[in-house]
Amino acid sequence: DTAVSQTPKYLVTQMGNDKSIKCEQNLGHDTMYWYKQDSKKFLKIMFSYNNKELIINETVPNRFSPKSPDKAHLNLHINSLELGDSAVYFCASSQWADTNTEAFFGQGTRLTVV
Amino acid sequence: AQTVTQSQPEMSVQEAETVTLSCTYDTSESDYYLFWYKQPPSRQMILVIRQEAYKQQNATENRFSVNFQKAAKSFSLKISDSQLGDAAMYFCAYSVEYGNKLVFGAGTILRVKS
Repeated sequence: DTAVSQTPKYLVTQMGNDKSIKCEQNLGHDTMYWYKQDSKKFLKIMFSYNNKELIINETVPNRFSPKSPDKAHLNLHINSLELGDSAVYFCASSQWADTNTEAFFGQGTRLTVV
Repeated sequence: AQTVTQSQPEMSVQEAETVTLSCTYDTSESDYYLFWYKQPPSRQMILVIRQEAYKQQNATENRFSVNFQKAAKSFSLKISDSQLGDAAMYFCAYSVEYGNKLVFGAGTILRVKS
């Protein structure tokens, strides 16, 4: 069973479109994240949710809107896609109360905006 | 701001030999956590090893060990008896308590020669 699963794995879309990436975890964790890995492989956090509540928003453009319907799901919706949004987006989860906990990552979604 | 620096963009090692990947970090916190993640070509982020800052003893996981120097803010990864499967991008990361977000270094590509 996949611990953190993201769909789709690959997404190719045109500039200006709106797209969503879904993430689900079956680990019983209460905290979920979105990370962005750019073309130089640099990984940076975008958002963090704890029990459906937004905890961290790292100055991400308003075009990016995360939504957490329950603590096992964290989706990422992107409006008006731009070329610079092309990247790999990783979902991850961990347990809030245990700061030592390992963060489990999904397999990533490679978004290509053309 | 917390930063993580990996000064080696790329490293090579002969199969069965030992290699050390460097990492330094900057923080004003006294209690934090450090991690090494591996990212093979499959893109999956895999935890290799972690270290609690309050523990003086260096963490070890089979062929992987760290040299944690808290005063110097240094956290290097040693891979012994390198195997072809160790070839990957390695990321050093620092865990910030609030939100448990990970701050990553730029990564080191490790190539293993047979």
